Amino acid sequence: QVQLVQSGSELKEPGASVKVSCKASGYTFSMYAINWVRLAPGQGLQWMGWINTNTGNPTYAQGFTGRFVFSLDTSVSTAYLQISSLRAEDTAVYYCAREQSTTANDYWGQGTLVTVSS
Amino acid sequence: QSVLTQPPSVSGAPGQRVTISCTGSSSNIGAGYDVHWYQQLPGTAPKLLIYTNNNRPLGVPDRFSGSKSGTSASLAITGLQAEDEADYYCQSHDSSLSGHVVFGGGTKLTVL
Repeated sequence: QVQLVQSGSELKEPGASVKVSCKASGYTFSMYAINWVRLAPGQGLQWMGWINTNTGNPTYAQGFTGRFVFSLDTSVSTAYLQISSLRAEDTAVYYCAREQSTTANDYWGQGTLVTVSS
Repeated sequence: QSVLTQPPSVSGAPGQRVTISCTGSSSNIGAGYDVHWYQQLPGTAPKLLIYTNNNRPLGVPDRFSGSKSGTSASLAITGLQAEDEADYYCQSHDSSLSGHVVFGGGTKLTVL
């Protein structure tokens, strides 16, 4: 069965970096794009961007350029989200999701809580 | 400020019907982009509820239905149940944002 399994919760100090992983199984990794979505406390879902799992080409939403990097390791069917120069406002749950050809996200990771605090 | 506007909250008694609106504009829903709906139960990841305006994935009860007209879309839930209490989000794309994904602000459904 299709699964996206994300890495565990992270507690980081301001200015540090974090790398969240999203390991896919149960399907051909390169056939479906991966979207990244943020859920900050008290806010709604926010699309961060997506990565083409065939070419590795990332696309970033407004507000998620510069400090955010999407990457892949296709040998282990894993997508990564790296955030540098962490700020308190980066505290959120980060989700990866598989995008269907219809553009709907049909499978989601369980989410990774990133807490930025000194 | 979300590109797609949803009511912050709706409520209904068990067995009742509720609808959640998703209002967009000529650059997103009105431009012909499809609308998808997600249900997020407390403490869990979002779950795809409706795709391509009015289609249910396998396993989603037919109590849930979607529609789209003009620059808006709606999610209807009939026979409301306690386990339907969750946050609901619409999703589409927007041509003024290079066709990027946009989410509605989310609607909290309370079952009274």
